[in-house]
Amino acid sequence: QKEVEQNSGPLSVPEGAIASLNCTYSDRGSQSFFWYRQYSGKSPELIMFIYSNGDKEDGRFTAQLNKASQYVSLLIRDSQPSDSATYLCAVLRIIQGAQKLVFGQGTRLTINP
Amino acid sequence: EPEVTQTPSHQVTQMGQEVILRCVPISNHLYFYWYRQILGQKVEFLVSFYNNEISEKSEIFDDQFSVERPDGSNFTLKIRSTKLEDSAMYFCASSAGGVYYGYTFGSGTRLTVV
Repeated sequence: QKEVEQNSGPLSVPEGAIASLNCTYSDRGSQSFFWYRQYSGKSPELIMFIYSNGDKEDGRFTAQLNKASQYVSLLIRDSQPSDSATYLCAVLRIIQGAQKLVFGQGTRLTINP
Repeated sequence: EPEVTQTPSHQVTQMGQEVILRCVPISNHLYFYWYRQILGQKVEFLVSFYNNEISEKSEIFDDQFSVERPDGSNFTLKIRSTKLEDSAMYFCASSAGGVYYGYTFGSGTRLTVV
């Protein structure tokens, strides 16, 4: 079982609609969860993080966490063509004091004008 | 806004040659990382570094790889004898530490082994 799983897409959404991106993780002890955006040929850019069950909103972005279901999602409201990118879900894994971010394979999102 | 700086942006090297990828992490960060991303694949962890020593390394990080923090600002990744399969984008990242901080990534070095 992969540590972090995402649907690789592509996910196609019309401009102005809500884009919904999903992620599941295998380590029930994971505490922190991150969403990164990666444009083609560029480095990952942090969009949001969440560590408590429920919703966290930042502008057009809402992260949702359900630890019981080991499920994290990202909603993008009023999607814009500039939101077209690959979205990476990452989970912070801590073992014996050493920590690292473990990434899913990413979901490619295309916003159609 | 503070950023992680990586040089060079692109390096082409012959198989078997040594390469050194350089990074300047954010100045008040304590944790440093190297990740790589083969074209079309996911971002993979290579190594973490804290308090002047390796905290964790992946199976990819074999004896051909080494990291160093030679002074108070630079963090380097050395590949001793490059192979074709080392061709990838290499990202340096740094973090203030703690469970509530994400990592800030540099812009990456695209390594092409020919």
